[in-house]
Amino acid sequence: DGGITQSPKYLFRKEGQNVTLSCEQNLNHDAMYWYRQDPGQGLRLIYYSQIVNDFQKGDIAEGYSVSREKKESFPLTVTSAQKNPTAFYLCATTVQNTGELFFGEGSRLTVL
Amino acid sequence: RKEVEQDPGPFNVPEGATVAFNCTYSNSASQSFFWYRQDCRKEPKLLMSVYSSGNEDGRFTAQLNRASQYISLLIRDSKLSDSATYLCATFFGNEKLTFGTGTRLTIIP
Repeated sequence: DGGITQSPKYLFRKEGQNVTLSCEQNLNHDAMYWYRQDPGQGLRLIYYSQIVNDFQKGDIAEGYSVSREKKESFPLTVTSAQKNPTAFYLCATTVQNTGELFFGEGSRLTVL
Repeated sequence: RKEVEQDPGPFNVPEGATVAFNCTYSNSASQSFFWYRQDCRKEPKLLMSVYSSGNEDGRFTAQLNRASQYISLLIRDSKLSDSATYLCATFFGNEKLTFGTGTRLTIIP
């Protein structure tokens, strides 16, 4: 099946630990995005990448890091520097230069 | 001022009614506009794209008013299955999509 796979779906971590969220796509889309969603705040852009080996900070990049070594993969690391990491994380892809995003099912991170 | 603003609702509407809600945007250079639907605890899914003055798809109509910088979504003959959060989004600079906070809609039997 073509699509976007995010894993894990649910993740619990202790304060002070780094965690990496996986996002894999087989849609052959160039651009990939990471959004964070908190209740009542909509989607906020963390990082995005339009081509392999290149990525840009979004509106709330502090405390996060990404890599784009392959077209299919765009993992997000939530570091211990992120003060409020508990949230719903959404990965999305799109054909270049359009706003029609395709989303993965999301990863729910809870920091205990 | 937020780049994209929506009334969060909730809008509680009886089944069969027509409902409309707006979304305002601050950047007059925005090129394209979108409505996404998000069910509870699920990912958003594209509902409609709005590239020029408007777009219609069955019971759903989206309109763009560039002079007043808003887009609207109209749902006719609402169904129970239309209950969801509706997110509007605008495309800036050919690179990234900016979302509003969403409008929560509940259709009441």
